Amino acid sequence: QVQLVQSGAEVKKPGASVKVSCQASGYTFTSFGINWVRQAPGQGLEWMGWISAKNGNTNYAEMLQGRVTMTTDTATSTAHMELRSLTSDDTAVYYCARTAVAGPTFMTWWGQGTRVTVSS
Amino acid sequence: EIVLTQSPGTLSLSPGERATLSCRASQSVRNNYLVWYQQKPGQAPSLLIYGASSRAAGIPDRFSGSASGTDFTLTISRLEPEDFAVYYCQQYGTSLTFGGGTKVEIK
Repeated sequence: QVQLVQSGAEVKKPGASVKVSCQASGYTFTSFGINWVRQAPGQGLEWMGWISAKNGNTNYAEMLQGRVTMTTDTATSTAHMELRSLTSDDTAVYYCARTAVAGPTFMTWWGQGTRVTVSS
Repeated sequence: EIVLTQSPGTLSLSPGERATLSCRASQSVRNNYLVWYQQKPGQAPSLLIYGASSRAAGIPDRFSGSASGTDFTLTISRLEPEDFAVYYCQQYGTSLTFGGGTKVEIK
């Protein structure tokens, strides 16, 4: 069955960068995209961006442009999300989620989430 | 950016009652490309409805979605104990945006 397994929790200092990984299995990785979504403590869901696992095309949320980079490694069926210049506002659970089709669309399968804490 | 406004913020109901959740878009959503997710505490969201009214695989028929212009509705016909959760709408017609969520709690 489809599984998305994310890397473990991170604690970072303000100004640092974090890289979260998401290893996919149970489907043809390059046939779908990956969305990244975050959720601050007690808050709602925020879409961060999408990457095509087929060709690496990306579409980032405007508010994160310049600070986020999404990549994929087709050899290991893994997606990565790097966020730079962290502030306390970036403290959240970060989810990867497989799209329903190849393009930037809704999500049918989700990872378990990775908690990122930004604190001095 | 399409802004999705969900109401009410919290819905207090008893098991067996009907729940009606609203999601209003700030502008037209192309092809009614809107989904609903359910999220339980400590879990990732899970897909309920896509294309405004199509149930995802394995979703019981007490969940239904509808659309009228820029207004979208998720209806749970008879609440089961496992339905008490937070519900989010999300549009994918123009980029992607989420609504703020509606919490359905036990009265």
